[in-house]
Amino acid sequence: DSGVTQTPKHLITATGQRVTLRCSPRSGDLSVYWYQQSLDQGLQFLIQYYNGEERAKGNILERFSAQQFPDLHSELNLSSLELGDSALYFCASSVATGRLPYEQYFGPGTRLTVT
Amino acid sequence: AQSVTQPDIHITVSEGASLELRCNYSYGATPYLFWYVQSPGQGLQLLLKYFSGDTLVQGIKGFEAEFKRSQSSFNLRKPSVHWSDAAEYFCAVGESNSGYALNFGKGTSLLVTP
Repeated sequence: DSGVTQTPKHLITATGQRVTLRCSPRSGDLSVYWYQQSLDQGLQFLIQYYNGEERAKGNILERFSAQQFPDLHSELNLSSLELGDSALYFCASSVATGRLPYEQYFGPGTRLTVT
Repeated sequence: AQSVTQPDIHITVSEGASLELRCNYSYGATPYLFWYVQSPGQGLQLLLKYFSGDTLVQGIKGFEAEFKRSQSSFNLRKPSVHWSDAAEYFCAVGESNSGYALNFGKGTSLLVTP
């Protein structure tokens, strides 16, 4: 158990809908990273938050957004969903500020299926 | 941008045999390298990391990896594989220009036969 929690574990929704994925980092970690894992694209970095502020952006679509709240949990919002958004979404937490490398600890993931 | 290549998509080894999973990186300066393992239906677990110093790093579950700058490689090894090691293995590099987010290779799927 990494100490990172993600809810829900599974999510099935229809095209065009909007969903919110939730992540709670390990106690003491201020950074949250979001990743998408799909069969064709592999594991891709989406976005990083550090202590409530966006710190880095990866291959995140404009239809996707995230935020980190004062209690440090983070939410990833996916809107206007398409079939191709079906994937496993991971959150990882770290003590990293983004200016030095540190290990990241991954949650169990949320499997999103868009029908 | 930094990149990571895992040349082997699938590897099959017999239980008790030794294992080496290959990872090559592309980066000008010292890379920050990681190996993660993903069991079916699970999240990713960190096996080991290399930031600097001793080029042979020890990890959990009996794994080790060696950083070789001359070969741009960070191969993962285990002297004797157990059936429980069957999983997907990912090599990753921390991207300095994106908050040290991880740039992952495509992964190597390990099958262990009796």
